[in-house]
Amino acid sequence: EAQVTQNPRYLITVTGKKLTVTCSQNMNHEYMSWYRQDPGLGLRQIYYSMNVEVTDKGDVPEGYKVSRKEKRNFPLILESPSPNQTSLYFCASTSGLAGSQETQYFGPGTRLLVL
Amino acid sequence: KQEVTQIPAALSVPEGENLVLNCSFTDSAIYNLQWFRQDPGKGLTSLLLIQSSQREQTSGRLNASLDKSSGRSTLYIAASQPGDSATYLCAVRDGNQFYFGTGTSLTVIP
Repeated sequence: EAQVTQNPRYLITVTGKKLTVTCSQNMNHEYMSWYRQDPGLGLRQIYYSMNVEVTDKGDVPEGYKVSRKEKRNFPLILESPSPNQTSLYFCASTSGLAGSQETQYFGPGTRLLVL
Repeated sequence: KQEVTQIPAALSVPEGENLVLNCSFTDSAIYNLQWFRQDPGKGLTSLLLIQSSQREQTSGRLNASLDKSSGRSTLYIAASQPGDSATYLCAVRDGNQFYFGTGTSLTVIP
């Protein structure tokens, strides 16, 4: 089954404690991205990756890091989380980029609370 | 940078009614526009994709239109059903980035 998986689904942590949210897709997509969703602000793109070893900043990259060492994995790293990073995070991978069948597949989301 | 706006923020209709959701964006130089559905506690599901060169796309009871020059898109849902209750989001692709609206929360009353 084609899917994007994220782990963990729920996470409570404290300010300053480094954490990683993993994302994996089994569809061999080149393009992957991370979003955060906040009430009243919608989804905002944090980082995206066009392919292995190629990453770019989205709209709200401050306080986040990513890496793309393998095509299937795109982890999101918070080196020193702060309470304003409390949010719902989504990973997505995109098929058929630049074609008529371009489609984003979203993971189930990770709800993060930073105390 | 794109600003994507969706109106209304919430909508409640009786079952069977036809309805229109609106999406507007500030920069007409988009590559495509996509409509998504989000159910509570779940990720997003793609509904329709319209390329910048297209005017509309249809899938079942859904029809999406795009007027790129005016920066507007509409999602038309025919004969609404309670199962259509969800939040609907539009997103534009500008270069290699995606910009989402804040969504319209739809409730279809049986």
